[in-house]
This record gives sequence, structure tokens and C-alpha cells, in this order.
Amino acid sequence: DAKTTQPNSMESNEEEPVHLPCNHSTISGTDYIHWYRQLPSQGPEYVIHGLTSNVNNRMASLAIAEDRKSSTLILHRATLRDAAVYYCILRVVRGGGADGLTFGKGTHLIIQP
Amino acid sequence: EAGVAQSPRYKIIEKRQSVAFWCNPISGHATLYWYQQILGQGPKLLIQFQNNGVVDDSQLPKDRFSAERLKGVDSTLKIQPAKLEDSAVYLCASSSDRTEETQYFGPGTRLLVL
Repeated sequence: DAKTTQPNSMESNEEEPVHLPCNHSTISGTDYIHWYRQLPSQGPEYVIHGLTSNVNNRMASLAIAEDRKSSTLILHRATLRDAAVYYCILRVVRGGGADGLTFGKGTHLIIQP
Repeated sequence: EAGVAQSPRYKIIEKRQSVAFWCNPISGHATLYWYQQILGQGPKLLIQFQNNGVVDDSQLPKDRFSAERLKGVDSTLKIQPAKLEDSAVYLCASSSDRTEETQYFGPGTRLLVL
């Protein structure tokens, strides 16, 4: 399965922007880049996804490198509620439509008040 | 819209006992997934259903784990007999179909095997 590399942890201050990096050098042309986050004692929650172009939604922005070998999740103004583990995942559709997500260990984002 | 429901939320059993977890996906979602999340790790896919058929169970330890989705709606995951290493959070997720790119996760069932 295609793999991603993320820092184990990052720390930021409340109300400041946060840039979470992800490397995926083995990405193939049809792999979508997905980001999920997991708050303490909850199931993962979808954040954003993209293929080639940068994407924006109400939660975050996703910046994708031109060669697609890396991407950055941007939280424009972090709050304490954004403290979570953030997972960068390559969504791969395998034979028969199997598309279960392959999670790594993610980045533990700590927000300081 | 109601989210993915799971029960029980917590379960404590002794090794070699049996346990079952239940999941009710979002209404109308054809695809259902079970994941296992061991403490400190990301979730790992166990099985994927499309309606009531299995799409992927390559990572399901079939000697002790089984899952079913008889009517294409609710699903049950069973462990029999449980081992200490099965202590984990069991997450259920659903999506509307295979082309839907977002999975919606339930709160999980936290299992402790003593």
C-alpha cells in the first residue's frame, strides 16, 4: 500500500495558523490525498481531500505539491478544539472496489492557549 | 442526519471468552467498514462490506474473528475466543458507495481483555 510520512508531533499556539506536512513519494496518479483527524476518545473525522489542485473547505485548506509527492494541511486559525491526531492517507481503490483506508501513526497536534 | 451508531461503548472480558460488537451505519450507506485501533496506533482495516457482500477481509484474523451484515444494514463483529492482544478500540465506518470518498466513523467500542 502507498505510504505516507508525517512528523510524530507538532505544537502551535491558539489562534495561529498551523501547517501539517505529509510526504507521499510513492503516490500514483489515481491516488487521492485524504486527511482525517481523531479527537481524544472519538472516531476519526474527515477533514479534506484532494487529487492535484489545492482545496479549501470550512475546516481547512490542502496544499498539494506540483509533483504530488508531498502535501500540507493548513488550519488557518487553530483553536483548542483542533488538538487531535491528524492522519494523512492515500486513498487507493484496489481490486473489487476495496478502498479501506491505511492509517499511519499520524501527527499529534498540541495547541497551547 | 444521525451518525454511525455502535454498541456497547465499553466491554471488559477475560481471555478465551467471546464478545460481539454491533454497528448501525448512516441510513442509506451501502459500504460498511470495521477497523481495529490498538493504543498508540492508527486504525487498521479488518473487513469491508458492500451491501451484504464482503469486499475485503484480507486482514481479518479469520480463526477467531467473524463479521456479518445479513440484511445489508446493521453489522456484527465477533471475537471467539478473545486473546489479550485483542484489547483495542473497534471502529465502524460507513460510506454511501464505493465512489464516495468520505468515510464516516462511529465512536468505537473499547475492548479490554484480561
